[in-house]
Amino acid sequence: DAKTTQPPSMDCAEGRAANLPCNHSTISGNEYVYWYRQIHSQGPQYIIHGLKNNETNEMASLIITEDRKSSTLILPHATLRDTAVYYCIVRAMNRDDKIIFGKGTRLHILP
Amino acid sequence: EPEVTQTPSHQVTQMGQEVILRCVPISNHLYFYWYRQILGQKVEFLVSFYNNEISEKSEIFDDQFSVERPDGSNFTLKIRSTKLEDSAMYFCASNDRAPPRGETQYFGPGTRLLVL
Repeated sequence: DAKTTQPPSMDCAEGRAANLPCNHSTISGNEYVYWYRQIHSQGPQYIIHGLKNNETNEMASLIITEDRKSSTLILPHATLRDTAVYYCIVRAMNRDDKIIFGKGTRLHILP
Repeated sequence: EPEVTQTPSHQVTQMGQEVILRCVPISNHLYFYWYRQILGQKVEFLVSFYNNEISEKSEIFDDQFSVERPDGSNFTLKIRSTKLEDSAMYFCASNDRAPPRGETQYFGPGTRLLVL
């Protein structure tokens, strides 16, 4: 089973920042936090990952709490194309480690 | 940007028929995966593949399933005798190995399989 807890759904107004929370209270020291998203009927898309430092790329920012028990994915200026299911996943950085997907958060961007 | 490709995008087959789903992973990736997603359900791991052999497989991946890397570019999933419950989206993924992005799986667009 997935080791993370996410709200089942969220709404965000277009142009605003979308903040998606994730709890992973049982995360181990060698496990990373990954975020993927799945736009309707498409394959999961990698967004970002981190270990303990905050990370930022062209798509999003990842904020990890100091105790690493929770994190927040931030989409700084949400657009309608960001409507998707967002998955928070913890996994060790082993090359052949499968990804265990949970139910994720269904994010609706409202015009 | 390099991406994983899958063919066909849609496949309709009769129960009991064999199907082969094809994937072209990102070149220079060495680790390959199949996942499936039944309509309305979670994405589920099927199998991982490295160095021409299966690394890990799930309970779903029974004797009806097989994987192969027939040449240097393709990675295939074969279902020998399809059942109604095999109807799903099938996603291929391949693993990035180089830092700084680390070991990240990149997914293809999927093949929608419908078994009648």
